[in-house]
Amino acid sequence: NAGVTQTPKFQVLKTGQSMTLQCAQDMNHEYMSWYRQDPGMGLRLIHYSVGAGITDQGEVPNGYNVSRSTTEDFPLRLLSAAPSQTSVYFCASSYHNTQYFGPGTRLTVL
Amino acid sequence: GENVEQHPSTLSVQEGDSAVIKCTYSDSASNYFPWYKQELGKGPQLIIDIRSNVGEKKDQRIAVTLNKTAKHFSLHITETQPEDSAVYFCAASRGEMAGEKLTFGTGTRLTIIP
Repeated sequence: NAGVTQTPKFQVLKTGQSMTLQCAQDMNHEYMSWYRQDPGMGLRLIHYSVGAGITDQGEVPNGYNVSRSTTEDFPLRLLSAAPSQTSVYFCASSYHNTQYFGPGTRLTVL
Repeated sequence: GENVEQHPSTLSVQEGDSAVIKCTYSDSASNYFPWYKQELGKGPQLIIDIRSNVGEKKDQRIAVTLNKTAKHFSLHITETQPEDSAVYFCAASRGEMAGEKLTFGTGTRLTIIP
């Protein structure tokens, strides 16, 4: 199993641009989530999904959209990138409370 | 909502000594408390967890203790080794369903001095 994969690993955007961070898992987990990690602030939940077709907001959802059309994929969309969205983004899938994290995407917004 | 505080933010210990990281939580309904280790350039990885129906859990050199009354839990690493150097995160959730809304602490950067 590849586990949780994320693409791209690095991305630089200009303010106002949009993009999609990809996340996929091959463990057939129902629960998936997106976090952002900023220095001194730990990991903060952006959006999560309890199964295909079902998503909900986390702690810091503003500026981000998600969808879950399949069990495997959970993309995160930045609608109009802002410098405040410069961060490292982690996708995770979960089984019986254990979260399995992807390797992360480092995003810089200029 | 839940609030998790973690201390210290940085910790340096001599190789072979013990390291202790402490967390407090605010939501008395929280009943699942995992600890994650994050190595440089990687995603966090679960190393140990504890549920509210037990007070202590051990796995080789790693142990976690939980005090529900005081709402705090701690990670203990004994006989530390260089490969223990990493950032450690505690977390809490109500655990009502798989992975349900973990709230993370702000992390502890542990450095093992050879």
